[in-house]
Amino acid sequence: ETGVTQSPTHLIKTRGQQVTLRCSSQSGHNTVSWYQQALGQGPQFIFQYYREEENGRGNFPPRFSGLQFPNYSSELNVNALELDDSALYLCASSLAIRDEQFFGPGTRLTVL
Amino acid sequence: KQEVTQIPAALSVPEGENLVLNCSFTDSAIYNLQWFRQDPGKGLTSLLLIQSSQREQTSGRLNASLDKSSGRSTLYIAASQPGDSATYLCAVSNTGNQFYFGTGTSLTVIP
Repeated sequence: ETGVTQSPTHLIKTRGQQVTLRCSSQSGHNTVSWYQQALGQGPQFIFQYYREEENGRGNFPPRFSGLQFPNYSSELNVNALELDDSALYLCASSLAIRDEQFFGPGTRLTVL
Repeated sequence: KQEVTQIPAALSVPEGENLVLNCSFTDSAIYNLQWFRQDPGKGLTSLLLIQSSQREQTSGRLNASLDKSSGRSTLYIAASQPGDSATYLCAVSNTGNQFYFGTGTSLTVIP
């Protein structure tokens, strides 16, 4: 059984650019959540997707958007990057909403 | 809004010692609580999940308890080992599908 995978591992962008991060959920999992983790902090919930529909959103601006595909993989898109967007972005999948979450290794985004 | 606090922020113990990590939350209307470990720069590894109707869960040397009415959970680690050194995070899920995380306890087990 394959776990949650994320790509790329690391990414460097400049202010104002756009970025797309990708996540493949664990086999059989139909729910994907995205989190942002700043250095020394706990993860902050961005949003959750369930069967290709957004199913909850945290306190993040609209320039953070996402997609979930029919195979339940997911993308996180961030437009107009700001320096404060530098963080570890984590994806988690679960068998269903509110079930145990399994995390991927994360994507480290640096905005210069 | 749910707020999760973890105390202490850092803990250093000699190998073999038993230890307790604490997690408190402000809104007791939770669906479940999950404990994770995180190694530096890595993703989160799930340790234990406790449903709101449960009082505790055990896995090997780990035991997590939940007291919803007081808004508290503890993670007990028996016979600590250097490999247990990591940051431990707790997260609570309310009925709104969102998980709220604490800032974690950084554990160092000294050989």
